[in-house]
Amino acid sequence: DTAVSQTPKYLVTQMGNDKSIKCEQNLGHDTMYWYKQDSKKFLKIMFSYNNKELIINETVPNRFSPKSPDKAHLNLHINSLELGDSAVYFCASSRTYNEQFFGPGTRLTVL
Amino acid sequence: QQQVKQSPQSLIVQKGGISIINCAYENTAFDYFPWYQQFPGKGPALLIAIRPDVSEKKEGRFTISFNKSAKQFSLHIMDSQPGDSATYFCAASIIGSEKLVFGKGTKLTVNP
Repeated sequence: DTAVSQTPKYLVTQMGNDKSIKCEQNLGHDTMYWYKQDSKKFLKIMFSYNNKELIINETVPNRFSPKSPDKAHLNLHINSLELGDSAVYFCASSRTYNEQFFGPGTRLTVL
Repeated sequence: QQQVKQSPQSLIVQKGGISIINCAYENTAFDYFPWYQQFPGKGPALLIAIRPDVSEKKEGRFTISFNKSAKQFSLHIMDSQPGDSATYFCAASIIGSEKLVFGKGTKLTVNP
């Protein structure tokens, strides 16, 4: 009965690799988000999709590419991983905007 | 203009005490102010939220106070419990946009 789920929970990889994080929500929400939380716990929005359409695209390196195959899924693909990409990535979703439900997070470590 | 400034960065309170976390914003277009609670290893979860047409909102032991003229809002946790130990984030957004701007968080520790 998980509302917003993410896989994997932990991801350890070498610099230069390409990796993906998957997110699914079963709340029937129209809008999904990706956030990055750095080591100082600062939460920053990266992307937002509404009904599979990109509506927020913050200043994020174009190595990061979100993909929304349907409104229940929002995946994040990262190319050419760098040390600075190490963080916890959270997926979130909302119906009535602003009341966002967050997933459990994916801790990405780039070595 | 898009920032939300949160203080203190960390807070230690004794069980039964009152925890107070403050936030300030610049953008007068902001009209939705939620507080999120995050436990270690978990995602943030909505705790309580307020719109600027009211000056206070209370839910159980949690109260948001809002001062529109000062562009400040605060979270008060009454009778703080060890189980309240978490990181608290204030946030702000404009109704109609999908973008929440978060404060930098306050790590609250409630000692038994």
